[in-house]
Amino acid sequence: KAGVTQTPRYLIKTRGQQVTLSCSPISGHRSVSWYQQTPGQGLQFLFEYFSETQRNKGNFPGRFSGRQFSNSRSEMNVSTLELGDSALYLCASSLEGVREKLFFGSGTQLSVL
Amino acid sequence: DAKTTQPPSMDCAEGRAANLPCNHSTISGNEYVYWYRQIHSQGPQYIIHGLKNNETNEMASLIITEDRKSSTLILPHATLRDTAVYYCIVRVEGTGNQFYFGTGTSLTVIP
Repeated sequence: KAGVTQTPRYLIKTRGQQVTLSCSPISGHRSVSWYQQTPGQGLQFLFEYFSETQRNKGNFPGRFSGRQFSNSRSEMNVSTLELGDSALYLCASSLEGVREKLFFGSGTQLSVL
Repeated sequence: DAKTTQPPSMDCAEGRAANLPCNHSTISGNEYVYWYRQIHSQGPQYIIHGLKNNETNEMASLIITEDRKSSTLILPHATLRDTAVYYCIVRVEGTGNQFYFGTGTSLTVIP
């Protein structure tokens, strides 16, 4: 069974631009969550989606948004990029009955110049 | 908020057991202990979790003290591929995918 797939693997943007990251969960997993990882702040929860609805949200500004499609694939968008948004963005999926057992992708490394 | 305390780094000889400690003195009665690890350049990987009884799976064993204020993750025969950052997390089960990972313990397995 294929794991969680995130695209692209690397991305370079400039300040003020926006970016969209994609995540395909493991087949059958309907819950998708996003995390940001930086050297200074570590792993921080962004949001969680289930059945196309945001179920939980971390403490991030409104520039960070996401959505989930009917096939459980998810995207996250960051608008008006800032230098501090440079990070590894990780997506995780889980089975609804075992939501604590997260399966992570390898992430998208975003660099904002 | 950090609810766990872990040593920042540890070394372990290859083939020996790696014992990773975690203190969670303020754990509540309905909070579970979870362990994840993150190998360099990869996303975190679930290892094991438990409430109060010791747990074992194909990857590791989790020993929780009787007062539940601390726990130990045991990798019985460490290999070089076990070199990673190990995160101990306490939280209530069934509250979704939001985890506070903290800073973890960087385990280095030495040949």
